[in-house]
Amino acid sequence: GAVVSQHPSRVICKSGTSVKIECRSLDFQATTMFWYRQFPKQSLMLMATSNEGSKATYEQGVEKDKFLINHASLTLSTLTVTSAHPEDSSFYICSARDLGTYNSPLHFGNGTRLTVT
Amino acid sequence: GESVGLHLPTLSVQEGDNSIINCAYSNSASDYFIWYKQESGKGPQFIIDIRSNMDKRQGQRVTVLLNKTVKHLSLQIAATQPGDSAVYFCAETGGATNKLIFGTGTLLAVQP
Repeated sequence: GAVVSQHPSRVICKSGTSVKIECRSLDFQATTMFWYRQFPKQSLMLMATSNEGSKATYEQGVEKDKFLINHASLTLSTLTVTSAHPEDSSFYICSARDLGTYNSPLHFGNGTRLTVT
Repeated sequence: GESVGLHLPTLSVQEGDNSIINCAYSNSASDYFIWYKQESGKGPQFIIDIRSNMDKRQGQRVTVLLNKTVKHLSLQIAATQPGDSAVYFCAETGGATNKLIFGTGTLLAVQP
């Protein structure tokens, strides 16, 4: 089945530093990837839609200058949390849909646990 | 970001019983629905999906029912096992957007 790899799985950083999270589709190509954030005991909240070769589309309330998204190829999207603060500590999850499919399941990575100290 | 609700209801069942997890979706224009299972510290795992032109779909030990009239979705798990313990999310997509929006989630706790 389709596999999405996310790296790193855990990261601890100091307040004010930046952290990059990678999301790769391993055996399929993805024009679109999605980034979600999940706080403990809550649902997944969509942050942004990442489109290959173009700018990401951010959900209302998500700061595009703080959460930089780059989707340089059909198999890689990155999320950079800039100038991280403790309130950015969360579980970040990426997902992707196979190129050319419509109304098919999104495949999810295993998430990145970010802790900002 | 979009989400539905900030609470995590819990369903506790005995091993071997059938489980029914319910979900109310928000967008009447949604035409595709998915159930995901999420174990602690992991990403969501696909269980079963259904399109809006259907009202029932069966998989292995799981059945999804869709009632578009009241915008309700349910997941039935037969002969629930300890390995089924996890958080279950419904998700919807369709209409003018390609986005997948998640519901509140339900924690399923299977008692041995």
